[in-house]
Amino acid sequence: DGGITQSPKYLFRKEGQNVTLSCEQNLNHDAMYWYRQDPGQGLRLIYYSQIVNDFQKGDIAEGYSVSREKKESFPLTVTSAQKNPTAFYLCATRLAREQYFGPGTRLTVT
Amino acid sequence: GQQVMQIPQYQHVQEGEDFTTYCNSSTTLSNIQWYKQRPGGHPVFLIQLVKSGEVKKQKRLTFQFGEAKKNSSLHITATQTTDVGTYFCAGQDGNQFYFGTGTSLTVIP
Repeated sequence: DGGITQSPKYLFRKEGQNVTLSCEQNLNHDAMYWYRQDPGQGLRLIYYSQIVNDFQKGDIAEGYSVSREKKESFPLTVTSAQKNPTAFYLCATRLAREQYFGPGTRLTVT
Repeated sequence: GQQVMQIPQYQHVQEGEDFTTYCNSSTTLSNIQWYKQRPGGHPVFLIQLVKSGEVKKQKRLTFQFGEAKKNSSLHITATQTTDVGTYFCAGQDGNQFYFGTGTSLTVIP
């Protein structure tokens, strides 16, 4: 997990604004994931990417967008269309079956 | 879609007592993983189970995968304050992982 950077740790935005969360990794892992964590609901998959320039929607992709232009980077944009954006966002990479998580970004939208 | 449920949601134990969390899937799993998330932290991989009926141990932690590969359990013997956190199971389906709702463990000194 030391090889995954998410910034910033805390992010505050006004309703109606798009915001992009950063995820960078130096583990040389091909697969990357974005999860959302809400109290009492565990982790829910937003998007994932197996290789550069390719990504798939997870269970709760509506209101989010991603890009994968470089192997090291997988930014997540939370758009104004996301109804309840306030949450803890976790980025992860995968090697074989094991996932490695970044420290997370706590987003608050008011 | 696939659902993975965990019980209990919360568990408070006295230090030294045992603790168990249970994970149940709506479908058969190819494998199951367990993660621990400390308060304010991020999930950290603990272990993976692949075979039907598999049992693995890590010091005071015992992990079990059901015969039908639809359920799993994590048992901690003689809890310590360092065991505090939320324990998640995760089932894999292709390239996706379905996480359980987690069990939050509080250890009272």
